[in-house]
Amino acid sequence: DGGITQSPKYLFRKEGQNVTLSCEQNLNHDAMYWYRQDPGQGLRLIYYSQIVNDFQKGDIAEGYSVSREKKESFPLTVTSAQKNPTAFYLCASSSPSGGEETQYFGPGTRLLVL
Amino acid sequence: SQQGEEDPQALSIQEGENATMNCSYKTSINNLQWYRQNSGRGLVHLILIRSNEREKHSGRLRVTLDTSKKSSSLLITASRAADTASYFCAIDNAGNNRKLIWGLGTSLAVNP
Repeated sequence: DGGITQSPKYLFRKEGQNVTLSCEQNLNHDAMYWYRQDPGQGLRLIYYSQIVNDFQKGDIAEGYSVSREKKESFPLTVTSAQKNPTAFYLCASSSPSGGEETQYFGPGTRLLVL
Repeated sequence: SQQGEEDPQALSIQEGENATMNCSYKTSINNLQWYRQNSGRGLVHLILIRSNEREKHSGRLRVTLDTSKKSSSLLITASRAADTASYFCAIDNAGNNRKLIWGLGTSLAVNP
């Protein structure tokens, strides 16, 4: 089955700790995205990558880092610099055809701070 | 960043009724998309309407687009309890490096 997987489903972070959220896709999509979702605020873009070995900051990149070493994988690290990391994190991918862009989402990771 | 604005924020209806959600935006668009999110899950793409289209149907979904008013509406007919979810509009601004601009969502509750 093609799709996007995210792990873990729940993640707990201690103060001062870096944690990494996994996102893998087997859709052969070029572009991948990380969003943060807080209640009542919709989706906010953290980072996105249009091609392997390249990525750009989104609207709320501070306190986060990413890598894109493989087409299939786009891990997100939440660093200790992110002071309010509790949120639902969504990964998405896309491969626009005919200039149109639809995004396919993973099931999400909920990050909680201990 | 610019966001789509959706209204209402929350909508509660009875099964069998129609549900209408609206999305307004500020920029010119390439297309506008609607997505659905069940509680605690990822989003699922529902329907895409291009800037040169005015209306599109998919099953019980009907989407309209008025580019002069910079607004779109999503109509779900004959709603079911399983339609209970949050619905988001997303704007594809062609000059925006393939980023979608997201609305804040409408939370729909369909009561049996």
